[in-house]
Amino acid sequence: GENVEQHPSTLSVQEGDSAVIKCTYSDSASNYFPWYKQELGKRPQLIIDIRSNVGEKKDQRIAVTLNKTAKHFSLHITETQPEDSAVYFCAASEGTNAGKSTFGDGTTLTVKP
Amino acid sequence: DGGITQSPKYLFRKEGQNVTLSCEQNLNHDAMYWYRQDPGQGLRLIYYSQIVNDFQKGDIAEGYSVSREKKESFPLTVTSAQKNPTAFYLCASSMALSQETQYFGPGTRLLVL
Repeated sequence: GENVEQHPSTLSVQEGDSAVIKCTYSDSASNYFPWYKQELGKRPQLIIDIRSNVGEKKDQRIAVTLNKTAKHFSLHITETQPEDSAVYFCAASEGTNAGKSTFGDGTTLTVKP
Repeated sequence: DGGITQSPKYLFRKEGQNVTLSCEQNLNHDAMYWYRQDPGQGLRLIYYSQIVNDFQKGDIAEGYSVSREKKESFPLTVTSAQKNPTAFYLCASSMALSQETQYFGPGTRLLVL
């Protein structure tokens, strides 16, 4: 089955700096890669996703890049703010089973004011 | 955040006891999922259901059981066979198994007395 590895497990940045979280996956059939944000004590929420037919996607301060050849994808957050502090999860899934995702172990991002 | 609810928020289990976690959605979604979240780990899939009266084991189904008698409801029973049940349990739904976007409930924290 699919195996997703996520790095780093913790990340601390100064407000205004950029943050990058990286994930690798093992199943070349995976073609959908969402990122979820989970604030303390709350439910995970989708913040951005990318499909295998594109290499990059942006949404304001958040961007995701995908390298299918190398089987890795990354989340980029620019101009970080304290409210960006949360646990971020990457995931990967395939086609007809797209809802059945394999998740990374999460990255705890702390943005220091 | 509305549309998918879980109850109770906290649940205590005595040794040898079965307990049932509730998950309800009014999003008219066909697919529903149960995940377990442990500290420092990502979400691990317990069971999922594509449609009413159908469900499949996920990666860590041992010690758990589910039913899907109604489209709106997907209860999870943690049986006495689950030796380490203390965790945060998240229910999710998506329009279909082939539809990627998952919506999560607020979670139930299960503790063992």
